Amino acid sequence: DTEVTQTPKHLVMGMTNKKSLKCEQHMGHRAMYWYKQKAKKPPELMFVYSYEKLSINESVPSRFSPECPNSSLLNLHLHALQPEDSALYLCASSPGWNTEAFFGQGTRLTVV
Amino acid sequence: DAKTTQPPSMDCAEGRAANLPCNHSTISGNEYVYWYRQIHSQGPQYIIHGLKNNETNEMASLIITEDRKSSTLILPHATLRDTAVYYCIVALGGSQGNLIFGKGTKLSVKP
Repeated sequence: DTEVTQTPKHLVMGMTNKKSLKCEQHMGHRAMYWYKQKAKKPPELMFVYSYEKLSINESVPSRFSPECPNSSLLNLHLHALQPEDSALYLCASSPGWNTEAFFGQGTRLTVV
Repeated sequence: DAKTTQPPSMDCAEGRAANLPCNHSTISGNEYVYWYRQIHSQGPQYIIHGLKNNETNEMASLIITEDRKSSTLILPHATLRDTAVYYCIVALGGSQGNLIFGKGTKLSVKP
């Protein structure tokens, strides 16, 4: 299984809602990543988990809260988002001994 | 910030080789060169990476100059399905290697 699975594929949420994005991999990878991608822009790194510990937070606002419950799962909890947070949210994983990352297909988020 | 410079767009005829250049003049000795591509509306896909030596796999070849300040990704026989944005990324290996994407090159393969 060489897939990174992201759910849901699409999400529409209001500015007062709380929602979560989910990412799952069963490749035994020990590094997992969240990226945000706006239209016609490259992916921007948000968070990195290494061995289930948060190792990088790229100055992301606190309305985005990552969680790594175990080595296979990565969540991104969303609360009080703004319309400008609408984007494609990508999850990725890599073995940890190299940076050959596998990306999921993303969650297309729209904040209304 | 991204440490690489790539042309914003390139065209290639179907069946011909596509040569995508990348400049990374500030690369440090322990940083690798990675190439990813992103087909429209999909997640990025790993292509190849290298440190010093040229590398080849089933998808592409990577040529790194001796001074390591630039590299070229070669798709030997481009097909329409190779139309994508190609990203050249310089990063440390292993768990320290965070992929910071630059603007990439939009490759259009034309029949």
